[in-house]
Amino acid sequence: AQSVTQLDSHVSVSEGTPVLLRCNYSSSYSPSLFWYVQHPNKGLQLLLKYTSAATLVKGINGFEAEFKKSETSFHLTKPSAHMSDAAEYFCVVRDMNRDDKIIFGKGTRLHILP
Amino acid sequence: DVKVTQSSRYLVKRTGEKVFLECVQDMDHENMFWYRQDPGLGLRLIYFSYDVKMKEKGDIPEGYSVSREKKERFSLILESASTNQTSMYLCASSDLTDLYEQYFGPGTRLTVT
Repeated sequence: AQSVTQLDSHVSVSEGTPVLLRCNYSSSYSPSLFWYVQHPNKGLQLLLKYTSAATLVKGINGFEAEFKKSETSFHLTKPSAHMSDAAEYFCVVRDMNRDDKIIFGKGTRLHILP
Repeated sequence: DVKVTQSSRYLVKRTGEKVFLECVQDMDHENMFWYRQDPGLGLRLIYFSYDVKMKEKGDIPEGYSVSREKKERFSLILESASTNQTSMYLCASSDLTDLYEQYFGPGTRLTVT
């Protein structure tokens, strides 16, 4: 079965410094991978998705993620954090073994320090 | 602009009550989903529907049922609410051609006392 692991439940960075949110997946197939963001009291919003095209995927709000098959990783990055980036981020994998359902990671809460 | 709305942001119900959570999308999407979100557990799929009157169980369907009589509306029903169903409930929809790009509502925080 496919799964996704977000390695940190909380990450704190100072405003203006780089952001790194880590995600590892397990998959016996070429996976589809996604990052979603949830701002406080809001629904989830798709940030970006990887579907076997370019390995470096650019998303909204300056975020990007790189698919690394050798490391089974899909880490989310941003060069310079902004206060508005404070939110919870979910890494998601498409599970082709389970009727194509998607599996959410447990989430990483990003805190931005002034 | 894509929009998914949920009938209530906050709901408090008593144990044993029948609870209805409503979700409406205005994007003419075929697929609709109900998730529950709990701290440290992420999102877990309860049920989904890929067409009117069609439904499929997700990972945790026990204690829940769903109804989809119209394409734009997907209801989650708790037949007899229990305290362990206290949670945030999220509805989502997606287009037939892109199942995985889901659009989410703001959520309903349900408390069962």
